[in-house]
Amino acid sequence: GAVVSQHPSRVICKSGTSVKIECRSLDFQATTMFWYRQFPKKSLMLMATSNEGSKATYEQGVEKDKFLINHASLTLSTLTVTSAHPEDSSFYICSARAVGEYGYTFGSGTRLTVV
Amino acid sequence: QKEVEQDPGPLSVPEGAIVSLNCTYSNSAFQYFMWYRQYSRKGPELLMYTYSSGNKEDGRFTAQVDKSSKYISLFIRDSQPSDSATYLCATPSGGYNKLIFGAGTRLAVHP
Repeated sequence: GAVVSQHPSRVICKSGTSVKIECRSLDFQATTMFWYRQFPKKSLMLMATSNEGSKATYEQGVEKDKFLINHASLTLSTLTVTSAHPEDSSFYICSARAVGEYGYTFGSGTRLTVV
Repeated sequence: QKEVEQDPGPLSVPEGAIVSLNCTYSNSAFQYFMWYRQYSRKGPELLMYTYSSGNKEDGRFTAQVDKSSKYISLFIRDSQPSDSATYLCATPSGGYNKLIFGAGTRLAVHP
């Protein structure tokens, strides 16, 4: 089945620094990938839709300049949290859907802690 | 009103019980539905998807859709402690078919 690899699985960074999270579709091409944020014991909140070769589409209330998304190839999307602050600490998850598949495959998530 | 409603629980059952997890949705344009299982600190994994009204079975899991009442269910037979997780219903919507999730139901199966 379709596999999405997300890296790193966890990262701790200092306040004010930037962190990049990678999401790769390993065995399929993904023109669209999705980035979610999840707070403890809460459901997934869609942050943005990442489109290969074009600008990402952000959900209402998500800061474009803070959460930079790049989808430079059909198998890689990156999320960069810029000038991170403790309130950005969260679980970030990406997903994609292979052509011909109904289900969406999720990465294993990245736990970001900003200290 | 949220587009997909799901009781967050928690739901606690003894091992071997039949578990019923449910969601309702508001938009009759939603065409197909998915159930995901998420273990703590992991990404969601797809359990089942259903396209039409009726039942779909896969091992101990049965997904049911009733489009007339906008109601979807997931049944787990002979529940096991390893089934303890959060279960999320979801449906794609919009131009990019982004997934809309329910709140997720936390299930605990105790030995």
